Amino acid sequence: GAVVSQHPSRVICKSGTSVKIECRSLDFQATTMFWYRQFPKQSLMLMATSNEGSKATYEQGVEKDKFLINHASLTLSTLTVTSAHPEDSSFYICSAHGTGDEQYFGPGTRLTVT
Amino acid sequence: QKEVEQNSGPLSVPEGAIASLNCTYSDRGSQSFFWYRQYSGKSPELIMSIYSNGDKEDGRFTAQLNKASQYVSLLIRDSQPSDSATYLCAVNPGGGADGLTFGKGTHLIIQP
Repeated sequence: GAVVSQHPSRVICKSGTSVKIECRSLDFQATTMFWYRQFPKQSLMLMATSNEGSKATYEQGVEKDKFLINHASLTLSTLTVTSAHPEDSSFYICSAHGTGDEQYFGPGTRLTVT
Repeated sequence: QKEVEQNSGPLSVPEGAIASLNCTYSDRGSQSFFWYRQYSGKSPELIMSIYSNGDKEDGRFTAQLNKASQYVSLLIRDSQPSDSATYLCAVNPGGGADGLTFGKGTHLIIQP
């Protein structure tokens, strides 16, 4: 299967600061990556689709100015949470397609905003 | 609103028995269907994918798809304690490079 990494695995930041999360496809090229968010006891919710070389597509209700996505290469997408607030505390997970329709997930980043 | 429904459980199954997990979806045009396993605090791990009506077997796992009934299931044979996890049903409504819509997951407990 395809291997996707994320960094950092955990981050604690103060309210009002920005946090960048990296998602890398390690053994394949990904023109499209996805960012999901999971709150405790809830399922994964798609936030946005990250497209290499073009603007991300955001799901309804996700603020594009708050969650900045950059997909500068075929192996790297970044999500920046700007002006983070405690309600942004969540588990952020990226994914990418392998050779077929299957999506492979990174290990996730647990964000805590104090 | 595209929805994926699962019974949240917990579903308790004795070790060695068959665990049966079910999922229904609302978008009749959906093309691709997946089962993921998620351990507490970890990200989802792909277990099975299925695209055509019928059964697909992989080791102890069998996925079943019935597009007419908009129903997907996962059977786990010879259940092991290590199978205890939350199982997420996911649907790719359009196929191809689309994001997934997830159900809320079924919490499975395998009793030794």
